[in-house]
Amino acid sequence: SQTIHQWPATLVQPVGSPLSLECTVEGTSNPNLYWYRQAAGRGLQLLFYSVGIGQISSEVPQNLSASRPQDRQFILSSKKLLLSDSGFYLCAWSTRDRGHEQYFGPGTRLTVT
Amino acid sequence: EDQVTQSPEALRLQEGESSSLNCSYTVSGLRGLFWYRQDPGKGPEFLFTLYSAGEEKEKERLKATLTKKESFLHITAPKPEDSATYLCAVQAFSNYQLIWGAGTKLIIKP
Repeated sequence: SQTIHQWPATLVQPVGSPLSLECTVEGTSNPNLYWYRQAAGRGLQLLFYSVGIGQISSEVPQNLSASRPQDRQFILSSKKLLLSDSGFYLCAWSTRDRGHEQYFGPGTRLTVT
Repeated sequence: EDQVTQSPEALRLQEGESSSLNCSYTVSGLRGLFWYRQDPGKGPEFLFTLYSAGEEKEKERLKATLTKKESFLHITAPKPEDSATYLCAVQAFSNYQLIWGAGTKLIIKP
C-alpha cells in the first residue's frame, strides 16, 4: 500500500530564517506530487505541483520554492521566511492519470515569529 | 471562472440526526468531484470520487450524490466520531488542479 510522509510535524521559525520541509511517498512510482497551504477556515491553496523529477510548476508567486530531486521526494524551501508564510502545509500525491484523487500527508504546522 | 462553494460553513447536529452537506460547483467540463474528511491538525482523508451526474457512492453512514451543478454528502444517523470538516473539490478536464471549497465543519453532539 502507498504511504506518504511529511516532516517535521510542527515548526517554529523566526522571520528571515530559511525553511526546508520534506515529503516522501512509498509504494508507488512516478506519482504527481503537490504542495498545498491551508489557512484557518479556508480551502486548500495549491503552491506547487510536479509531474516528474526536476519538473516543478508554481501556482502562486511568493518567496517559496520547491524541488523534486528524486521520483518520490518533494521538498518545499524558502531562503527567508515572512510572517505571512505561517500556516498548515500539506503534501499530496496522485497517479499520473487525470481524474484520480489526491492522497495527503499528515501536514506540517509552520509558525513564523 | 471555476469555483466551488460549500454550505453551510458549520453544522451542529445531535447524535442520530440525519442531514446533508452541499457542494455547488462551476467548472468548464467536470472531470471528477472529490469529497474528503479532515480532522483537526491532520491531512485530508479521501472519501469519494464522483464522475457523472446521477452517480452515488456510499461508505458507512455517508452517501455522496452528484448533479450537473452540485453534490450532496448525506449523513445518516451520525455519531460523535463523524465530527470533522468535510471538504469538496472538483477537477476540470483542462488540468490537474483541484479547485477546493472552504469546507463544512460538522459537529455531532452525543
